[in-house]
Amino acid sequence: EAGVVQSPRYKIIEKKQPVAFWCNPISGHNTLYWYRQNLGQGPELLIRYENEEAVDDSQLPKDRFSAERLKGVDSTLKIQPAELGDSAVYLCASSLGTGRGEQFFGPGTRLTVL
Amino acid sequence: QQPVQSPQAVILREGEDAVINCSSSKALYSVHWYRQKHGEAPVFLMILLKGGEQKGHEKISASFNEKKQQSSLYLTASQLSYSGTYFCGTEAMNRDDKIIFGKGTRLHILP
Repeated sequence: EAGVVQSPRYKIIEKKQPVAFWCNPISGHNTLYWYRQNLGQGPELLIRYENEEAVDDSQLPKDRFSAERLKGVDSTLKIQPAELGDSAVYLCASSLGTGRGEQFFGPGTRLTVL
Repeated sequence: QQPVQSPQAVILREGEDAVINCSSSKALYSVHWYRQKHGEAPVFLMILLKGGEQKGHEKISASFNEKKQQSSLYLTASQLSYSGTYFCGTEAMNRDDKIIFGKGTRLHILP
């Protein structure tokens, strides 16, 4: 069974440029999460989707971050414009459903903002 | 509120045991444990749902003391493959389905 797929794996951009990350969850997983992981820290939830509905986006910096999950499958996370402090690994995870336990993480996108 | 993990880092020789602790200031519904190797995705180890519950995964087991709002991860007879960073994630009793991860405990196993 294919795992969570993310692309790109690495991205280097200048500050103030836009950037987008893509995630394809495990087939049949209704819940999708975007996390940000800073160096030496645990993952921090940005947004959680149940199917195509964003049910928790309280930690998403909405002035510059946006996300969508069209048709309840793939998801895209966008930053516009990027700031130096956005450098981090952006992880996507999926699960069968909220409260169903195990989250399966993708390999992440390492973003470097210069 | 972010759970507190201790110790921050551990160095062991292969075959030795280790304990990683996770404590929260909030009443907990569940505790999740993940392991992340350098440059890789976190991998699920186990989830504990009830106070006093214990679970095992190979030679890795965990306990959850609901009253103390603490969980401990036990690694017995550690293997080289156990090296990595271990994260606990906690879900509050209000069941908001939000898992908050600790800062992690780095474990390095020497041959």
